[in-house]
Amino acid sequence: DAKTTQPTSMDCAEGRAANLPCNHSTISGNEYVYWYRQIHSQGPQYIIHGLKNNETNEMASLIITEDRKSSTLILPHATLRDTAVYYCIVGEYGNKLVFGAGTILRVKS
Amino acid sequence: SQTIHQWPATLVQPVGSPLSLECTVEGTSNPNLYWYRQAAGRGLQLLFYSVGIGQISSEVPQNLSASRPQDRQFILSSKKLLLSDSGFYLCAWSVEFEGSPLHFGNGTRLTVT
Repeated sequence: DAKTTQPTSMDCAEGRAANLPCNHSTISGNEYVYWYRQIHSQGPQYIIHGLKNNETNEMASLIITEDRKSSTLILPHATLRDTAVYYCIVGEYGNKLVFGAGTILRVKS
Repeated sequence: SQTIHQWPATLVQPVGSPLSLECTVEGTSNPNLYWYRQAAGRGLQLLFYSVGIGQISSEVPQNLSASRPQDRQFILSSKKLLLSDSGFYLCAWSVEFEGSPLHFGNGTRLTVT
């Protein structure tokens, strides 16, 4: 079973920041937080991951709370092309990563 | 840079026919390789993973098998397809250390009729 809890769906206005929350209260010390997204009929796309510190790359920022029990993925300026299912996963690596149902993000003009 | 290739993109097969889906990775050596299946409207289910040539671990009992004949080649097979084998099949790779993300191919959509 997935170790994370995410909202089923969210809406965001185009050009605004999209903040996607994730709860992972049972995360263990050596488990990372990974974020992926899946656009319809495509394979999941890796976005970002982190262990303790906040992370930023060209796609997004990942904010992890100090107790590591929750995190937020931030898409700074959402576009229509960011409409997708976003998966938050905790695990060490590889076969230990379990995908849940994710959050359907709809970016609206 | 590393790339992963899956083919075919779509496939329609009759019940009872055999299946062979192929996945290859370029730009990395000794990757871990994975086969996932995604049923319509559902999450991803890990089917098989491999940490090296000839080493296959099965996650769920099923009608499918996997093989890894070469370091960067992963094959998903079935001798006789069932209707329940329909789905979106995804191959992925990673390296084996903590904090290593999975990288997915574009998938094969299989419809068994």
